[in-house]
Amino acid sequence: EVQLVESGGGLGQPGGSLRLSCAASGFIFNNYVMRWVRQAPGKGLEWVSAISGGAESIHYGDSVKGRFTISRDNSENTVYLQMNSLRAEDTAIYYCTRAYNSVFDYWGQGTLVTVSS
Amino acid sequence: EIVLTQSPGTLSLSPGERATLSCRASQSISSSSLAWYQHKPGQAPRLLIYGASSRATGIPGRFSGSGSGTDFTLTISRLEPEDFAVYYCQQCGSSSCTFGQGTKLEIK
Repeated sequence: EVQLVESGGGLGQPGGSLRLSCAASGFIFNNYVMRWVRQAPGKGLEWVSAISGGAESIHYGDSVKGRFTISRDNSENTVYLQMNSLRAEDTAIYYCTRAYNSVFDYWGQGTLVTVSS
Repeated sequence: EIVLTQSPGTLSLSPGERATLSCRASQSISSSSLAWYQHKPGQAPRLLIYGASSRATGIPGRFSGSGSGTDFTLTISRLEPEDFAVYYCQQCGSSSCTFGQGTKLEIK
């Protein structure tokens, strides 16, 4: 059974940092692109970042480019999202997802990030 | 960046009725890259349709997808009480992905 479990959310200060983790199980982790998606309060879904199986290809949405860094540890079956220079508009539930071609086929339950002083 | 526009924003229907949700792309996209998701409060989004018309594993037959080019449709043939949720279309290109803004399907 595919499982994605996010952790690391919580309260962050404006201008501060948080690191999210996503522990994956139930599939051959290094065979899959992994992506982060977020949902701000009262808003829709927004793609944040993606990383290929071997980490050779990485992409970011315009709203987080230059501030967030995605990485993965295939020996630990874990993908990370380092979030720096946090802004109030980064407040959202962050979902870790597995990618199958263009599709987000499995989703974690999400972790809430709140940016506030 | 390809923009996906969903309509209507809110759809009010009764159980047993047919729901038709639209997703329009700002430029032509491959059908293979278009997917639909269902999202209920407090839950993770769930993949319904991929490749514009293929049902994901475990998705009931009342859900169907169609379309090509810039116009895509999600149809729910007979609404069940558990179908009332927010629905998103989504596409990925070579270096980015976008979601539509969502259609809220509510009980009339």
